[in-house]
Amino acid sequence: RKEVEQDPGPFNVPEGATVAFNCTYSNSASQSFFWYRQDCRKEPKLLMSVYSSGNEDGRFTAQLNRASQYISLLIRDSKLSDSATYLCVVTPPWSQGGKLIFGQGTELSVKP
Amino acid sequence: GAVVSQHPSRVICKSGTSVKIECRSLDFQATTMFWYRQFPKKSLMLMATSNEGSKATYEQGVEKDKFLINHASLTLSTLTVTSAHPEDSSFYICSARDPTSGNYNEQFFGPGTRLTVL
Repeated sequence: RKEVEQDPGPFNVPEGATVAFNCTYSNSASQSFFWYRQDCRKEPKLLMSVYSSGNEDGRFTAQLNRASQYISLLIRDSKLSDSATYLCVVTPPWSQGGKLIFGQGTELSVKP
Repeated sequence: GAVVSQHPSRVICKSGTSVKIECRSLDFQATTMFWYRQFPKKSLMLMATSNEGSKATYEQGVEKDKFLINHASLTLSTLTVTSAHPEDSSFYICSARDPTSGNYNEQFFGPGTRLTVL
C-alpha cells in the first residue's frame, strides 16, 4: 500500500465549478499534512497546511480526518488559473527527520 | 519567503558522463536539504536527505555511489549523477529547510533541473 494515495484524475471541470480532491495516508502517526500545487514542468509550491479543525483560504478549504486518515481539498468557483496538479503531502513521525512524502498528485484542468 | 535556486535548469549529456547539479539557499542558511526525483506524470520521490557537514541519508533503493551528494556549506548542496544513463533522465528537484522558520516541516523548493541523457 502506498504511503499517500490520491485519485490521479484528471479532473476536467468548467470554470466556476466546485471540485474536491481526496487523499488517504497509511501511517496513523503522521505528523503534518499539506496540499501543494505543481504547474507543468515547475517545482511544487505550498498551497496550504491542513489541520483537524479545517482551514480555509479564499476559495480553498482543506480538511483532515485523523481517525479515517483522510485529507481533502475543496476548490470553489474554480478559475482557469487553478489548472495544475495538486499534491497531497504528509510528514512521517518526528524520528524521520522532517522529510515530506508526496502523493502521486491529482491533475485538474479547468475549461472555459 | 525563502528562496532556493538550482543550477543548471536543464542539461543534456551523453551516456556515461557525470552531471553535477547545484542547490543554493539564497537568503537563509539551510542545515538540511533534500533531493527529489520526478518522472513524467509521477510524483516526487525523495532520494536523499543532505545534512551540512555530514554524510547524506539515502532512501531505500537509491544508489549512493551513483548519486553523490555533498553539503559542504550551509547554503550549498550538490548532487552528482555519475556515469549517467538514459534511465536517469528525470526532473531533479532540491528543497531546503529554514531552521529559523516557525514550521519545522516547511520546505522551500528549487525550480528543478531537467536532465536528459542521450
